[in-house]
Amino acid sequence: GAVVSQHPSRVICKSGTSVKIECRSLDFQATTMFWYRQFPKKSLMLMATSNEGSKATYEQGVEKDKFLINHASLTLSTLTVTSAHPEDSSFYICSAPSGTSGGNEQFFGPGTRLTVL
Amino acid sequence: DAKTTQPTSMDCAEGRAANLPCNHSTISGNEYVYWYRQIHSQGPQYIIHGLKNNETNEMASLIITEDRKSSTLILPHATLRDTAVYYCIVRVATDSWGKLQFGAGTQVVVTP
Repeated sequence: GAVVSQHPSRVICKSGTSVKIECRSLDFQATTMFWYRQFPKKSLMLMATSNEGSKATYEQGVEKDKFLINHASLTLSTLTVTSAHPEDSSFYICSAPSGTSGGNEQFFGPGTRLTVL
Repeated sequence: DAKTTQPTSMDCAEGRAANLPCNHSTISGNEYVYWYRQIHSQGPQYIIHGLKNNETNEMASLIITEDRKSSTLILPHATLRDTAVYYCIVRVATDSWGKLQFGAGTQVVVTP
């Protein structure tokens, strides 16, 4: 299946700093990517849809000015957590659909664990 | 997208078949049933999907009832590496690049 990578896999930062997370589709192009957040022992929560060449679409309750998304190319989307605070500590996961079948499977990255001190 | 209901957890003995139920009584005619799983601290992994016919691949089998209101994911010979949270999701496949909404899933623990 298609491969999605994320970088970094783990990051620890001080409160108030900004952190950038990259999501790459390695062997296919993705005009759309999705960003999820997962707190411990909870399910994945969709944060936003990243669209190549246009603005991201955010889910209700997600602050677009805090979670900046840039879909720079057909294989790269970035999520920047601005002025991070301890409550932003979470597991961030991206996904990209690969239209190789009628089911439009989605392929997920391995996730990025963010810890804000 | 229709909502799904899954048991919170279930245990399975290694080497035995694991049968994971999912209820989706409000599923629409154009919605597919998808299964993903998430091993601890990893991204979710696609398992299988189907519309109304039973499906089988190298990972699992998917049995969908005739009225499509429920389905069962079958892991034929569970291994310790199958311990994960399994998510049943229904969505319109033709909704190109459609987003997935995850429920709570079923925590499956495979024991020796």
